[in-house]
Amino acid sequence: AQSVTQLDSHVSVSEGTPVLLRCNYSSSYSPSLFWYVQHPNKGLQLLLKYTSAATLVKGINGFEAEFKKSETSFHLTKPSAHMSDAAEYFCVVSSDSWGKLQFGAGTQVVVTP
Amino acid sequence: DGGITQSPKYLFRKEGQNVTLSCEQNLNHDAMYWYRQDPGQGLRLIYYSQIVNDFQKGDIAEGYSVSREKKESFPLTVTSAQKNPTAFYLCATTGDRDNEKLFFGSGTQLSVL
Repeated sequence: AQSVTQLDSHVSVSEGTPVLLRCNYSSSYSPSLFWYVQHPNKGLQLLLKYTSAATLVKGINGFEAEFKKSETSFHLTKPSAHMSDAAEYFCVVSSDSWGKLQFGAGTQVVVTP
Repeated sequence: DGGITQSPKYLFRKEGQNVTLSCEQNLNHDAMYWYRQDPGQGLRLIYYSQIVNDFQKGDIAEGYSVSREKKESFPLTVTSAQKNPTAFYLCATTGDRDNEKLFFGSGTQLSVL
C-alpha cells in the first residue's frame, strides 16, 4: 500500500528566507513523486516530479526537491521565499499501480514581509 | 480548446437525494480521477479509471458511484448514502504512463440544503 505524509500543516517564513516543506512516503514499489501548488482560488499546478532519474529534481519558480530512498522522503525547498509563494502545497505519490495518485494533506505556506 | 470541463460549478443536494457531477475531457487521456477536497485534509481519492469500462475505488469510495462508458466522460454520483457530501470535487486526467502529470478541471462545489 502507498501513503504520503506531509509533516507540517502550516509553515510561516519571512520573505527572502529559505523554505522547507517536508514529505515522507511509503510504497510497495519504486514511487513516482510530485509536488503541486494551489494558490488561493486557483487550480492546482505541477511544481516538479521525480520518476527515478536524478534524485535532485528542479522545478518551476526556483523550487527543488530531493528524493532520499533511505529516509523515504521527498522534501521541497526554495532558497529564498517570495511573497507570491504563499499558497498550499501538496506532495503526491504514485507507486502501487499506474494511475493511483495519492495526495498528502497539504502544507499551507505563509510569507511575511 | 483542449481541456477538462466540470459541471455544474455549484450544486445543492437535498436530504436523501442522489446528484451527479459531470466531468468531460477532450485531451484523449486514458486515466481519469475524482478527488474530494476538504479544508485541512488535502485531496482524497474517491474513484479512478485507467481505461473505458473499468474503474477502481480510491480511499473514500463509500457513498459514491461512477461509470466510464466513454473515454471522454467520467461522471460521479453522490448518493444518499454519503452522509457528509459538502465539499469541493475535482476531476483530473492523465494520459502519459511515464509522465503522470495531472490535468484538473475547475471543480464543483457541492452543498447540502
